[in-house]
Amino acid sequence: KQEVTQIPAALSVPEGENLVLNCSFTDSAIYNLQWFRQDPGKGLTSLLLIQSSQREQTSGRLNASLDKSSGRSTLYIAASQPGDSATYLCAVSGNQFYFGTGTSLTVIP
Amino acid sequence: NAGVTQTPKFRVLKTGQSMTLLCAQDMNHEYMYWYRQDPGMGLRLIHYSVGEGTTAKGEVPDGYNVSRLKKQNFLLGLESAAPSQTSVYFCASSLSGRNTDTQYFGPGTRLTVL
Repeated sequence: KQEVTQIPAALSVPEGENLVLNCSFTDSAIYNLQWFRQDPGKGLTSLLLIQSSQREQTSGRLNASLDKSSGRSTLYIAASQPGDSATYLCAVSGNQFYFGTGTSLTVIP
Repeated sequence: NAGVTQTPKFRVLKTGQSMTLLCAQDMNHEYMYWYRQDPGMGLRLIHYSVGEGTTAKGEVPDGYNVSRLKKQNFLLGLESAAPSQTSVYFCASSLSGRNTDTQYFGPGTRLTVL
């Protein structure tokens, strides 16, 4: 069974700092990996999707990388802002979708 | 476009009661999913559907049933609710199962079983 781990569970940074969130998975046989954002009491919003054949994807201040062979992905957030405060989840798709437990990010003004 | 909507937003049940959660999407997506989210355990797939009239089991299907009679709707049923089913339930949809397809999520239903 696929296991998805996200470290750290919580992170607090001052505004303007660059930061990296980590995601690891145990089975490299995946179709894609997605990063989502979840605000308190809300659903999930997709941020980036990386196909298994890709190495990275970028959207604005966000950059996600994928190293399938080592079972790792990182989400890089540049010049963090208070509005980035949320929980960030990664999910891998193989025969089913498996989610990590998320990293709760707080950006301090 | 409303995207993915879920009804109801909140519900409190007593042990043994039954209920149905409704998910609707207006994006003409083929695939639909039901997840539950519990503290410390992330989202876990309950059931999913790859098209109208089809359903399949996910990671944690016990105690739940689903139906996909119309392409735009995916229903999740609890026949005899148990306290262990207290959770936040999310519905999602995707255009297909291709590796390029993003899942779109509804706002969730918070269910408490007493």
